Amino acid sequence: DAKTTQPTSMDCAEGRAANLPCNHSTISGNEYVYWYRQIHSQGPQYIIHGLKNNETNEMASLIITEDRKSSTLILPHATLRDTAVYYCIVREALSNFGNEKLTFGTGTRLTIIP
Amino acid sequence: AAGVIQSPRHLIKEKRETATLKCYPIPRHDTVYWYQQGPGQDPQFLISFYEKMQSDKGSIPDRFSAQQFSDYHSELNMSSLELGDSALYFCASSLRAGVDTQYFGPGTRLTVL
Repeated sequence: DAKTTQPTSMDCAEGRAANLPCNHSTISGNEYVYWYRQIHSQGPQYIIHGLKNNETNEMASLIITEDRKSSTLILPHATLRDTAVYYCIVREALSNFGNEKLTFGTGTRLTIIP
Repeated sequence: AAGVIQSPRHLIKEKRETATLKCYPIPRHDTVYWYQQGPGQDPQFLISFYEKMQSDKGSIPDRFSAQQFSDYHSELNMSSLELGDSALYFCASSLRAGVDTQYFGPGTRLTVL
């Protein structure tokens, strides 16, 4: 079962920052938080992941609370192309052989409004 | 950068026929995963392979089988197709040693008539 809770849907104005929350209150110490997105039936696209510290790459920033029970994905300047379903997934950091799958929850459907 | 390649991209089959989907991982990636996404649903894990050995298994029907070959490409074989098998099938690959992020291919859309 998915270990995360996300809002079903969100809207964001084009050009503004999109902040997508994720609750993972049962996360264990050796689990990463991964974010993927899926744009209309395309293959899920990797965005970013983190363990404890905040992370930033060319696509987004990931803010993880100190207790690691929740996180926020930030798309700094949302464009229409960012309209997608965003999935927050927790996964073991050191994958044990036989425990590598990604478990997708229902995700957040983000709509960027012109 | 090279990505995961899946073929065919679209496939139409009749009930009770068989289908074979192929996945070519990113170069140097030795682990392959298969996911199924039904209409209006989220991706569900089917099966994975590491170094040609099955490493994990999800809710994959007995009618489905898969393998990974010496060049690390993988094939998902589906027999006795049912209408409910109509779905998107995604393959992902990862570099197991150290960097375990899974990167997904564009998917194969299977339609069973």
